[in-house]
Amino acid sequence: AQSVTQPDIHITVSEGASLELRCNYSYGATPYLFWYVQSPGQGLQLLLKYFSGDTLVQGIKGFEAEFKRSQSSFNLRKPSVHWSDAAEYFCAVGPDFISNFGNEKLTFGTGTRLTIIP
Amino acid sequence: DAGVTQSPTHLIKTRGQHVTLRCSPISGHKSVSWYQQVLGQGPQFIFQYYEKEERGRGNFPDRFSARQFPNYSSELNVNALLLGDSALYLCASSQGVVNTEAFFGQGTRLTVV
Repeated sequence: AQSVTQPDIHITVSEGASLELRCNYSYGATPYLFWYVQSPGQGLQLLLKYFSGDTLVQGIKGFEAEFKRSQSSFNLRKPSVHWSDAAEYFCAVGPDFISNFGNEKLTFGTGTRLTIIP
Repeated sequence: DAGVTQSPTHLIKTRGQHVTLRCSPISGHKSVSWYQQVLGQGPQFIFQYYEKEERGRGNFPDRFSARQFPNYSSELNVNALLLGDSALYLCASSQGVVNTEAFFGQGTRLTVV
């Protein structure tokens, strides 16, 4: 069964500092990987996704993530955080759409809450 | 263009009651998925529907059911509500084709008392 682990429940960084959020996954085949952000009381917004190809993917709001198959990781990074980045971040893994007959089930991690201090 | 819309935004129900949550996907999207997000946890997959047919079901009891209508909107029904059903229920829509992304609505906050 697929699973996602986000080891850090809560991270605090200073505004302007760099950020790395960790994500490890367990999946028996080539995974589809995603990072979502959720502000309080809001739905989820997709930051970036990895399906195949270049292992370094760029997303919105200046975020990027690197897929490392050997480490089963898909860590999210940002070189300089802004106060508006404070939110909950979720890593998710999805099945190969074709081999799973169109099943789009996403398995999410438990999330990392990001706090930004001035 | 309107995003994924869910109604109602908030709901309070009593144990044992029934609830219906509604979702309208983005125009042109044919796939709708439902997720339950308990406070402090990541979303858990409940159902996925594509072209009115169920494509996936998560590990939820039979009290949970869903359907998709010809206009691709969807309903999630929960019978015999338990306190543990209190959660944010999220709906996501996608085109339902290869390498598509899921767009999430704002969710329905269900409180069972």
